[in-house]
Amino acid sequence: AQSVTQLGSHVSVSEGALVLLRCNYSSSVPPYLFWYVQYPNQGLQLLLKYTSAATLVKGINGFEAEFKKSETSFHLTKPSAHMSDAAEYFCAVSDTGNQFYFGTGTSLTVIP
Amino acid sequence: NAGVTQTPKFQVLKTGQSMTLQCAQDMNHEYMSWYRQDPGMGLRLIHYSVGAGITDQGEVPNGYNVSRSTTEDFPLRLLSAAPSQTSVYFCASSSTQGSNYGYTFGSGTRLTVV
Repeated sequence: AQSVTQLGSHVSVSEGALVLLRCNYSSSVPPYLFWYVQYPNQGLQLLLKYTSAATLVKGINGFEAEFKKSETSFHLTKPSAHMSDAAEYFCAVSDTGNQFYFGTGTSLTVIP
Repeated sequence: NAGVTQTPKFQVLKTGQSMTLQCAQDMNHEYMSWYRQDPGMGLRLIHYSVGAGITDQGEVPNGYNVSRSTTEDFPLRLLSAAPSQTSVYFCASSSTQGSNYGYTFGSGTRLTVV
């Protein structure tokens, strides 16, 4: 079975600072990789996804992620944090099958 | 709006009661899944379906039952509710097509079992 590791269950950044949320996966085949965001009391919303077209993937709200096969990583970044970015972020991996494997999530706090 | 619709949004059950959480999608997605979300544990897969008439167990299936009689609907049944089933439940659906592959989630059902 595949697995996803999100380093850091809580991350705090100052408003305007770089956001870096880490995700490592285990997969023996080229995977699909996803980042989802969950705002309080809401469902999960797709931020971006990697489907082998390009290693640098741009998503909504200024977020992007880079697929690094040699490091089995798919870290999420945003150059300048905004207060509205405060949320829970989930990394997920799927192979060509029908199951998705989620990390345990990273809670992002943005300090004014 | 196209998407995944879950009902109810909130529910309180007594131990031993049964109920059905409803999930419907209007995107003609083949894949549908149920997850539960608990603090510190992320999302755990309960049951999933790859098409009408086909279902399978996920990571935490005990105490839950599903069926998929149509492409659109994927209800989750709690057979005899227990306090350990207090959680937030999410239904999700996905296309099998490459460019559209990726789950769309419903807004969740917050269930409390007392």
